[in-house]
Amino acid sequence: DIVMTQSPDSQAVSLGERATINCKSSQSVFFSSNNKNCLAWYQQKPGQPPKLLIYWASIRESGVPDRFSGSGSGTDFTLTINNLQAEDVAVYYCQQYYTTPQFGQGTKVEIK
Amino acid sequence: EVQLVESGGGLVQPGRSLRLSCTTSGFKFGDYAVSWVRQAPGKGLEWVAFIRSKVYGDIREYAASVKGRFIISRDDSKSTAYLQMNSLKIEDTAVYYCTRDPHPHCSGTSCPHDHWGQGTLVTVSS
Repeated sequence: DIVMTQSPDSQAVSLGERATINCKSSQSVFFSSNNKNCLAWYQQKPGQPPKLLIYWASIRESGVPDRFSGSGSGTDFTLTINNLQAEDVAVYYCQQYYTTPQFGQGTKVEIK
Repeated sequence: EVQLVESGGGLVQPGRSLRLSCTTSGFKFGDYAVSWVRQAPGKGLEWVAFIRSKVYGDIREYAASVKGRFIISRDDSKSTAYLQMNSLKIEDTAVYYCTRDPHPHCSGTSCPHDHWGQGTLVTVSS
């Protein structure tokens, strides 16, 4: 199984500042059939189901604010939240779907 | 509006069985794969199983932790997916979510999840 490791486990960021979450996979999730990386990011707010933010590592899901962006390739990926808003307080998960899906352990983003 | 509604959760003793249902609306169910993802109390997300659409071969995959005990199925005429859970263990206690998985976003093996239900709680305890 591919192991997904996120860092940090939690992060406190001031309103309007940038949050950066890293995700590392134990092997490459690059899908040669379409030259894309099989990596998704989800946001989960307390008491709610997760919400898809990003897929193919960098494509924003419809309706997701453009302050959320994904980058990276191969085994190293980043979710960046620019201009952090109060409503962005949540746990964020990365997931690889190159093989049977595996999630990272989650990163909690709070307001400093 | 896309909707997925899980049902069938509850309290069950170890070793017993339970069947979860995921009733959907607002989209053409037969065109999508479906997954079940669970979340133990206070813990992270764990993918459990998925089933591709019949056009993509009705392929089913399971997490190692449930393989041989859980069975995923679908009834496209009812726009509903199921998760039959047998030989339940205490560690199966979790909120179980069903998800819609769009085939155009899938790799050769699996998919991201673009819509989620609200989940149903399964508690395995004696």
